[in-house]
Amino acid sequence: AQSVTQPDIHITVSEGASLELRCNYSYGATPYLFWYVQSPGQGLQLLLKYFSGDTLVQGIKGFEAEFKRSQSSFNLRKPSVHWSDAAEYFCAVGAATGANNLFFGTGTRLTVIP
Amino acid sequence: NAGVTQTPKFRVLKTGQSMTLLCAQDMNHEYMYWYRQDPGMGLRLIHYSVGEGTTAKGEVPDGYNVSRLKKQNFLLGLESAAPSQTSVYFCASMRPGQGVYGYTFGSGTRLTVV
Repeated sequence: AQSVTQPDIHITVSEGASLELRCNYSYGATPYLFWYVQSPGQGLQLLLKYFSGDTLVQGIKGFEAEFKRSQSSFNLRKPSVHWSDAAEYFCAVGAATGANNLFFGTGTRLTVIP
Repeated sequence: NAGVTQTPKFRVLKTGQSMTLLCAQDMNHEYMYWYRQDPGMGLRLIHYSVGEGTTAKGEVPDGYNVSRLKKQNFLLGLESAAPSQTSVYFCASMRPGQGVYGYTFGSGTRLTVV
């Protein structure tokens, strides 16, 4: 069965500090992995995606994520957090075939303090 | 502006009332999805459609019905609303062949059932 685990419900970081959000997945086929960001009261915006190839992928807003097959992980990172990064972040896994349904983790809420 | 439009944005229902949420997309996407978002639960798939006239159940379909009479519209119905259906509902659409990265989300409908 497919599942996505985001072990951190809430993370607080200081502005300018580095950030890492954890994501572990369980999927029966080759996973397509995604990170989405949701600002309060808004819809979801795609940050980055991984399908194959280079395991370090770059996204928008200075985010990157590393796919580690041996650890079934796809952690999101940013070297220096800005106050505007405060939001909720969702990791998701999906398939390349069929109806392409996405399965989401429960989210990690990021608070940025001055 | 091209994208996914959800109406209404907010709604309060009394237990037992019915309502329909409308999702409209103008990108000529084949696939459409309805998700619900609850605190600590992430997004869970309710129903989806891979084309006009077709629908299928997702992870949490009970209490909901859907219809896809026109390619651009995907309706989510609640026949007899229950407090457990208080949630934020997101619609998404995708064009097959883009892979799962083609998801476009609407901005959500916040539904409260009292």
